[in-house]
Amino acid sequence: SQQGEEDPQALSIQEGENATMNCSYKTSINNLQWYRQNSGRGLVHLILIRSNEREKHSGRLRVTLDTSKKSSSLLITASRAADTASYFCATDRVRGGSQGNLIFGKGTKLSVKP
Amino acid sequence: EPEVTQTPSHQVTQMGQEVILRCVPISNHLYFYWYRQILGQKVEFLVSFYNNEISEKSEIFDDQFSVERPDGSNFTLKIRSTKLEDSAMYFCASAGLVGETQYFGPGTRLLVL
Repeated sequence: SQQGEEDPQALSIQEGENATMNCSYKTSINNLQWYRQNSGRGLVHLILIRSNEREKHSGRLRVTLDTSKKSSSLLITASRAADTASYFCATDRVRGGSQGNLIFGKGTKLSVKP
Repeated sequence: EPEVTQTPSHQVTQMGQEVILRCVPISNHLYFYWYRQILGQKVEFLVSFYNNEISEKSEIFDDQFSVERPDGSNFTLKIRSTKLEDSAMYFCASAGLVGETQYFGPGTRLLVL
């Protein structure tokens, strides 16, 4: 089964608009992390939200987590052209002896037009 | 701000050759990971390493792969006999504790010809 599925797969917005990306997962998690990846580059950590948290903020980013629906959302407010990138959610599943390895989704490709 | 570094940034090799990818995790971190991302696909977990031994590995991490922490700072991934399908971006990550933020390096793009 797929763990960490983002939607939409691609999102195109104008600068200044808000962008919302969603992530669904199938098994219980310890935490969920959001990462950004510029084309062909490394993964930049954005936010970690734990299973007992419902919402976290970091600058223009807002992440929510609904463990009953097994879903999370990432909201970027007042988007900028520099926010153009792929965004991934990654889950740390609840397992005996878990060493924290992350399961990534396929990502949402965000394009912010100036 | 501390960061994970990886070398080389790009590596081109012939099929059947051995490659070693190097990583320097964040200095006070205890948990180390390798992931890979085949072009256009999602990031996949390969192996986790703690206390000088492999703690978990995926099905991808077969006998052709090995990891080592040869000294107090480096963490390496060796592919013994590369195949065409090993072409991918390889990411190293480290974390201070299990369940904490994993910080990723910039990646090594491996191309097997």
